[in-house]
Amino acid sequence: RKEVEQDPGPFNVPEGATVAFNCTYSNSASQSFFWYRQDCRKEPKLLMSVYSSGNEDGRFTAQLNRASQYISLLIRDSKLSDSATYLCVVNREYSGGGADGLTFGKGTHLIIQP
Amino acid sequence: GAVVSQHPSRVICKSGTSVKIECRSLDFQATTMFWYRQFPKQSLMLMATSNEGSKATYEQGVEKDKFLINHASLTLSTLTVTSAHPEDSSFYICSARSVGRSSPEQYFGPGTRLTVT
Repeated sequence: RKEVEQDPGPFNVPEGATVAFNCTYSNSASQSFFWYRQDCRKEPKLLMSVYSSGNEDGRFTAQLNRASQYISLLIRDSKLSDSATYLCVVNREYSGGGADGLTFGKGTHLIIQP
Repeated sequence: GAVVSQHPSRVICKSGTSVKIECRSLDFQATTMFWYRQFPKQSLMLMATSNEGSKATYEQGVEKDKFLINHASLTLSTLTVTSAHPEDSSFYICSARSVGRSSPEQYFGPGTRLTVT
């Protein structure tokens, strides 16, 4: 099982629609989860952190299911500017310390159509 | 928000030469910086973790003698690709974590696109 797995898409969605992505992770000890957005040939930008209780930021809602080891992102009332690749990111945690770092999924490509 | 810069943004070099990429945190201090690499249509892959004043920690499969990392200050880390080959052509991105922050959030630089001919 890959460390972080996402459906690569593309998801073609009409403007104004609601779209949801899921992501699964393999390391049950992971503690921190994020959604990043990456535009073509640009660096990733943090969209939102994902908390156990779920969190919402405007049109974006993130959920975490630790039992099933998956993370979701919901985008409501999608805009043309939401077109991008959405990266599911898990902070790697090692017991006993050691190197940490972010593990990225390959990303889900979203295209919002007018 | 935290700003991270990288220089150069794009570099083309000949096979066998070395290339240095700089990563700077502009408005915060970073004890830890990370170097990632992204090939086309692939996910970002962590290459190494750079801690200020100590040796970098490399991921499995990343040659430390080929990818030299120096983190001499709390605002600067450099990655030198030595004896570059065409297969080293990639998008190299650094990120930084702010000093004192318990959150693992990282702020990314704009990336350096390396082309080795």
